Amino acid sequence: EPEVTQTPSHQVTQMGQEVILRCVPISNHLYFYWYRQILGQKVEFLVSFYNNEISEKSEIFDDQFSVERPDGSNFTLKIRSTKLEDSAMYFCASSVAGDQPQHFGDGTRLSIL
Amino acid sequence: GESVGLHLPTLSVQEGDNSIINCAYSNSASDYFIWYKQESGKGPQFIIDIRSNMDKRQGQRVTVLLNKTVKHLSLQIAATQPGDSAVYFCAAPYSGAGSYQLTFGKGTKLSVIP
Repeated sequence: EPEVTQTPSHQVTQMGQEVILRCVPISNHLYFYWYRQILGQKVEFLVSFYNNEISEKSEIFDDQFSVERPDGSNFTLKIRSTKLEDSAMYFCASSVAGDQPQHFGDGTRLSIL
Repeated sequence: GESVGLHLPTLSVQEGDNSIINCAYSNSASDYFIWYKQESGKGPQFIIDIRSNMDKRQGQRVTVLLNKTVKHLSLQIAATQPGDSAVYFCAAPYSGAGSYQLTFGKGTKLSVIP
């Protein structure tokens, strides 16, 4: 069964450094998403992406965050200058259409030191 | 925005028994709901979804019931197995034209006792 894959599984970064989280969505999906889950808390929406542009973003997704689909298969989340509070699990998801189920990857655990 | 939540943070059931996990939502305009299962160290895994024009939908060993009157949905797992142990989330798209961001509840941790 097709699945969303994310790399790396764990990323440790010094505060203030840039980090790029990578995702390969399911191949025939057109909508892409990033969510995060701080330890012990709810899964929170960050951003959605369709037709090569951001369609929605939450208050969490400030100027330090950016997303990109650099080629036909990858979808990346960049945090420009990481803060301690960016430590979380980051999940990528994709869906064939906006009103269809979103399928999630297994996440990248981001630890900011 | 949408607010979804669950009645119980934890649920323990004996293997072979049926499990019922409940979820309440706040926005009566919500028209699509999804149940996810999250095992330790993994991402949310899609289980089943239901649209507001339905009251009930069945999958393999799972049934979702939607009560729009009281804004409540439930996930029923038949003959619960140890592999069903996980955190279960209900989720609904944030209500808004063309908005598909999911709002998650906090989750119910299901523990299956062998």
